[in-house]
Amino acid sequence: SAVISQKPSRDICQRGTSLTIQCQVDSQVTMMFWYRQQPGQSLTLIATANQGSEATYESGFVIDKFPISRPNLTFSTLTVSNMSPEDSSIYLCSVAALAAYGYTFGSGTRLTVV
Amino acid sequence: EDKVVQSPLSLVVHEGDTVTLNCSYEVTNFRSLLWYKQEKKAPTFLFMLTSSGIEKKSGRLSSILDKKELFSILNITATQTGDSAVYLCAVVGTGTASKLTFGTGTRLQVTL
Repeated sequence: SAVISQKPSRDICQRGTSLTIQCQVDSQVTMMFWYRQQPGQSLTLIATANQGSEATYESGFVIDKFPISRPNLTFSTLTVSNMSPEDSSIYLCSVAALAAYGYTFGSGTRLTVV
Repeated sequence: EDKVVQSPLSLVVHEGDTVTLNCSYEVTNFRSLLWYKQEKKAPTFLFMLTSSGIEKKSGRLSSILDKKELFSILNITATQTGDSAVYLCAVVGTGTASKLTFGTGTRLQVTL
């Protein structure tokens, strides 16, 4: 199944700043997904990133806060903008793997906003 | 809106015990149900289930799906401390652009 390289692994950021998270996949994939996991919570989908079109955002998430780029079929970025402590979470990218292997996740980015 | 409910929320067992984790779901046009193990940040894939009544097995772990009653169970036999993790259940429906909807997870702690 696909292998995803996600970075940074972790970061501590000042409130009001922005952080860009990158995911590089070792094969071409149509859709990439970005998830957020707040402390003690489960994974919540932020948006679906398709190459060549605008990302599709889930209810409660907006492009101004979480702009996404998808320049090609192997790469995507998620930016967390104008951060506040409430943005402290684990952020994960994911792609659909081979049929029998479900969805593969990147290694995750643990973000702490102070 | 797709919904996944897991129980129990947390569980503490002794090494060697057998545990059963539960997952019930509501999804538009069900396609598959997946189980993941999350120890630190990234969930790792355990099983994908699409058909009722067919048990999937991997070592001490097994899982089965009941599409009539809309639930799945994950069994872990002879638990070890390395099984301590959060176990996540997720569903995919054909009408949801292939996205995963996750349950809240079951936090399993295996003690000596």
